[in-house]
Amino acid sequence: SQTIHQWPATLVQPVGSPLSLECTVEGTSNPNLYWYRQAAGRGLQLLFYSVGIGQISSEVPQNLSASRPQDRQFILSSKKLLLSDSGFYLCAWGGGVVDTQYFGPGTRLTVL
Amino acid sequence: DQQVKQNSPSLSVQEGRISILNCDYTNSMFDYFLWYKKYPAEGPTFLISISSIKDKNEDGRFTVFLNKSAKHLSLHIVPSQPGDSAVYFCAASVQTGANNLFFGTGTRLTVIP
Repeated sequence: SQTIHQWPATLVQPVGSPLSLECTVEGTSNPNLYWYRQAAGRGLQLLFYSVGIGQISSEVPQNLSASRPQDRQFILSSKKLLLSDSGFYLCAWGGGVVDTQYFGPGTRLTVL
Repeated sequence: DQQVKQNSPSLSVQEGRISILNCDYTNSMFDYFLWYKKYPAEGPTFLISISSIKDKNEDGRFTVFLNKSAKHLSLHIVPSQPGDSAVYFCAASVQTGANNLFFGTGTRLTVIP
């Protein structure tokens, strides 16, 4: 069966510091991968998606970036965090013929 | 622009009764719809989905209804249980390319014992 991992579970970072969140998927090949953010009191906002290694599409302009160095690894990064980057970050996977997306446990990021 | 809307931020229902969660969308190209359940500090869990070629899909206590002409879908939970208390998100996609999901803002369901 497929499993999706995210770490860390929680993170507190100062403004201006870098960020690296990692997501890995097991039990599937060539999945579509997604990063979402849920800000306080709001729905899920798609940040990035990837249909293959090295292929990244950005949905919202911001100071975040994403990379997919391996088939089942998706990384969310920032060089300098802003207060507005605080939120709950979720990674999801879905196959090209699998319309449903399955989510990881999430990372709670607090920028102070 | 919010293409998927859940206009009720919260809903309270007595245990054993029916819970009805509503969702509206604006993009007529959407052809696949999903409902997710989310507990605090956890990732959303997939509940049920429906393709635009159907108007109803049932899975145990959960039934999703789709009204394409009204661009409206609803999730019915019968009977409601206290463990159903969570935030419910509806989502929609166009089944081409990356199948990106567009989410509503969620409805918090509280089932009162």
